[in-house]
Amino acid sequence: EAQVTQNPRYLITVTGKKLTVTCSQNMNHEYMSWYRQDPGLGLRQIYYSMNVEVTDKGDVPEGYKVSRKEKRNFPLILESPSPNQTSLYFCASSYLMPGRPVGNNEQFFGPGTRLTVL
Amino acid sequence: SQQGEEDPQALSIQEGENATMNCSYKTSINNLQWYRQNSGRGLVHLILIRSNEREKHSGRLRVTLDTSKKSSSLLITASRAADTASYFCATGLRQGAQKLVFGQGTRLTINP
Repeated sequence: EAQVTQNPRYLITVTGKKLTVTCSQNMNHEYMSWYRQDPGLGLRQIYYSMNVEVTDKGDVPEGYKVSRKEKRNFPLILESPSPNQTSLYFCASSYLMPGRPVGNNEQFFGPGTRLTVL
Repeated sequence: SQQGEEDPQALSIQEGENATMNCSYKTSINNLQWYRQNSGRGLVHLILIRSNEREKHSGRLRVTLDTSKKSSSLLITASRAADTASYFCATGLRQGAQKLVFGQGTRLTINP
């Protein structure tokens, strides 16, 4: 089954304790992206990756890191989480045609990770 | 500000009625997509309409696109309780960052 998986689904942690949220897709998609969703603010892009070893900042990258060492995985790292990073996080992936905008294709979303930072 | 903005923010109708949601955007687009999100879960792609298309159907869904007004509408006919969800439009830009830009969504409630 084609899918995007995220782990963990729920996490409660404390300020400053490093954490990683994993994301994996089995569709051989080139493009992967992380979003956070907050009430009244919609979905905001954190980081995205066009392919292996190619990552770039989205709209709200502060406090986050990512890596893309393998095509299927795109972990989100919070080196020193703070309470303002409490949010619902989504990973998404899509096919990417060479030279064409990523917005040409539908994105497949993971089930979400609800993070609470105390 | 957001590229896509949905209207209304919330909509409550009776089962069987039609639901219409609107989306406005600001800059030139390659396409516009609609997604559904059940409470707290991942977004699911519903339909994509390209900038050279005016109308598209998928089952009970009808999407229109008016590039001159920079707006789109999503019509769900003969609504069902299972249609209760949030609906988001997302625009794929012609130029600029490689991403979809999501609106803040319309919360649709179907009352039995």
